[in-house]
Amino acid sequence: GIQVEQSPPDLILQEGANSTLRCNFSDSVNNLQWFHQNPWGQLINLFYIPSGTKQNGRLSATTVATERYSLLYISSSQTTDSGVYFCAVPSNDYKLSFGAGTTVTVRA
Amino acid sequence: DSGVTQTPKHLITATGQRVTLRCSPRSGDLSVYWYQQSLDQGLQFLIQYYNGEERAKGNILERFSAQQFPDLHSELNLSSLELGDSALYFCASSQGTGSYNEQFFGPGTRLTVL
Repeated sequence: GIQVEQSPPDLILQEGANSTLRCNFSDSVNNLQWFHQNPWGQLINLFYIPSGTKQNGRLSATTVATERYSLLYISSSQTTDSGVYFCAVPSNDYKLSFGAGTTVTVRA
Repeated sequence: DSGVTQTPKHLITATGQRVTLRCSPRSGDLSVYWYQQSLDQGLQFLIQYYNGEERAKGNILERFSAQQFPDLHSELNLSSLELGDSALYFCASSQGTGSYNEQFFGPGTRLTVL
């Protein structure tokens, strides 16, 4: 099946800092999703981004499908950005295969 | 709020018992997916239903079963529970089936088996 690798595994930020999270995948895909899992365990949809760039407030994402990677940018980080960020791609045309996640800790 | 609802939020039970987790998809979504998140395995796909029919199976144990009802809500039944079944169980929904569909996740049910 398709392999999904995320880096870095952990990220500690000071409030107000910017950061970039990376997701590499092993095969061509027609869908990629980014999620934020908050400290209460909820998985929140951030982006559906099979290609190109999207922005939502302080977050933006870029997927370069031909090179099999996606980037998630967090600007002016806030403590509420803490949690685990997952990227996921479809595998076998139905399920999502998730990366191991990047754990982000934003300190006040 | 994704529009996907799951009940209960928390469930504490004993080994050997049987539990039922419930999921209601977003309005208009025909596909329901179940995922399990455990500390050692990460997020794993269990099973998918589309408009009442089982569509795909993943790493679902034989002790687990699911169904999707005519009103499109779904239930995941876990029986003969073991300590290792303790996990966060997510339901997701999408409009259709196939890899183009964006999946939206519910808040999850946290199962603790003692």
